[in-house]
Amino acid sequence: EAQVTQNPRYLITVTGKKLTVTCSQNMNHEYMSWYRQDPGLGLRQIYYSMNVEVTDKGDVPEGYKVSRKEKRNFPLILESPSPNQTSLYFCASVSGGELFFGEGSRLTVL
Amino acid sequence: AQSVTQLDSQVPVFEEAPVELRCNYSSSVSVYLFWYVQYPNQGLQLLLKYLSGSTLVKGINGFEAEFNKSQTSFHLRKPSVHISDTAEYFCAVTFAHNQAGTALIFGKGTTLSVSS
Repeated sequence: EAQVTQNPRYLITVTGKKLTVTCSQNMNHEYMSWYRQDPGLGLRQIYYSMNVEVTDKGDVPEGYKVSRKEKRNFPLILESPSPNQTSLYFCASVSGGELFFGEGSRLTVL
Repeated sequence: AQSVTQLDSQVPVFEEAPVELRCNYSSSVSVYLFWYVQYPNQGLQLLLKYLSGSTLVKGINGFEAEFNKSQTSFHLRKPSVHISDTAEYFCAVTFAHNQAGTALIFGKGTTLSVSS
């Protein structure tokens, strides 16, 4: 089954404790992206990757890092999480004009 | 710069009534336009997209949208809604020179609530 898989789906952590949200797609898509969704703000792009070893900042990249060492994986790294990074995060891959979204990762930073 | 405005944050309707969710965009160049739906506790899925050609686009679940270049709008419509259409709907835009689907700018969303 074609899918984008994110883990963890839910996480509560504390300020400053590094964490990684993994994202994997099995559709061989070149383009992948991370979004955060906040009430009243819609979805905002954090980082995207056009292909392996090619990443670039989206609209709200501060406090985040990404890597793209393999085509299928695009992890999102929060080196020192802060409460303003409490949000719902979505990973997506693109093909044929369509974004395929993961089911989301709800992160709470205390 | 591009922007997307969804004119209604919440739209309550009764079952079997028609609905229109409004979306306006701002761009000085050609664009691609999308509508996505998010059901509770799920990720987003594509309802329909306009890349080129006919300005009336039909999507899944009986939804359709019309691209109006002169009014820079891409309103979503359904002639008769069901309870199961209750969800949040997002309009999105990207420059036409981008690989379609990349660098999307999303609206803030419209919550459609269908009641019996």
